[in-house]
Amino acid sequence: GAVVSQHPSWVICKSGTSVKIECRSLDFQATTMFWYRQFPKQSLMLMATSNEGSKATYEQGVEKDKFLINHASLTLSTLTVTSAHPEDSSFYICSPSPWGETQYFGPGTRLLVL
Amino acid sequence: AQSVAQPEDQVNVAEGNPLTVKCTYSVSGNPYLFWYVQYPNRGLQFLLKYITGDNLVKGSYGFEAEFNKSQTSFHLKKPSALVSDSALYFCAVRDGNSGTYKYIFGTGTRLKVLA
Repeated sequence: GAVVSQHPSWVICKSGTSVKIECRSLDFQATTMFWYRQFPKQSLMLMATSNEGSKATYEQGVEKDKFLINHASLTLSTLTVTSAHPEDSSFYICSPSPWGETQYFGPGTRLLVL
Repeated sequence: AQSVAQPEDQVNVAEGNPLTVKCTYSVSGNPYLFWYVQYPNRGLQFLLKYITGDNLVKGSYGFEAEFNKSQTSFHLKKPSALVSDSALYFCAVRDGNSGTYKYIFGTGTRLKVLA
């Protein structure tokens, strides 16, 4: 149980383009979705929290117009990095949360912006 | 405010020896505590959690952790380390009284088990 998929696992893009990352909970429904980013040798930093059908709540310092989050269903959420720049290069991890205490994490998406 | 401290960036241990990865926390309400492991270029895998009950929690892959309220600690332990345990370990805390599922993660401890 608690299988989470992320697609793509790796993406390289040119500066100025947009990249969409999909996160799916395969065997449970996620009422809440967390999106994290992780820089090399650093901890996970929460970017935003979204509930199904509602607008996401962004952490301080995270640009909501740059990191668009859509949580359209209980099993799918997407993060779109718009007009990506090299400083957006990072490891992005989704965490769907079912009703309960434990968060489960996707395998992550490594983004490299050239 | 919630916070988690993992005081050691790296822990080295010989295979077969016991290992301990330290974690201390600060939370205003009820602490919900978690340990996750991360392998290179992978997401986090859940190891164990403490919500309530017995202070000694047993988890996946032979790991266990002890909740110590007076020392506000939740150290991860394993009696006999394996080379395959080498990975990055994260401690996380959530305030059980907050009504949200927001976690705060520690900075991570890299465990290196030497053959």
